[in-house]
Amino acid sequence: ETGVTQTPRHLVMGMTNKKSLKCEQHLGHNAMYWYKQSAKKPLELMFVYNFKEQTENNSVPSRFSPECPNSSHLFLHLHTLQPEDSALYLCASSQVVSGGGTQYFGPGTRLLVL
Amino acid sequence: QKEVEQNSGPLSVPEGAIASLNCTYSDRVSQSFFWYRQYSGKSPELIMSIYSNGDKEDGRFTAQLNKASQYVSLLIRDSQPSDSATYLCAAAVRDDKIIFGKGTRLHILP
Repeated sequence: ETGVTQTPRHLVMGMTNKKSLKCEQHLGHNAMYWYKQSAKKPLELMFVYNFKEQTENNSVPSRFSPECPNSSHLFLHLHTLQPEDSALYLCASSQVVSGGGTQYFGPGTRLLVL
Repeated sequence: QKEVEQNSGPLSVPEGAIASLNCTYSDRVSQSFFWYRQYSGKSPELIMSIYSNGDKEDGRFTAQLNKASQYVSLLIRDSQPSDSATYLCAAAVRDDKIIFGKGTRLHILP
């Protein structure tokens, strides 16, 4: 596998379910990101992990719980979501370099909360 | 609040013409800038990055950076229908963070 992969690609869940999104990067990068993109809306940064340490939590509700066990893997644990959480969830990775490195995105997980 | 501003469009350009996309950024210390293309329902893909003042060309694409004016642009020559997409401008505000504009929708008219 190359680049950034995400599983599952599609997910339908009820408001009482618990599910997890998985992201894996094969680029040797040391930073990983979660973004949310609702229909016809701009990208919203959710979390940043730099060498496994969280360096940004963009006021995300606690029903979204990220986990970064190492620089290659990132999870987003979901519980008691709301219908308005339905969106495309994108993972990205980058090399942390002075001045900022290019981010590469995975294909996304399309989430529908019923 | 650090921001990247783009005109949301839609920008309609005839096939074969030059499409010009513009972006301004607020953080004077930003050093790295990026253009991404996003097709509907898909993830953003990198078109170009630019770090120095001036022009950078890659095939039909030219990125332009003017740090004094805090301005970045993307020119697409010989526009094709397959170029119809949303184009996202982004600026690095930290070594591990870039911020994205809201995107400009480009429509190439056959």
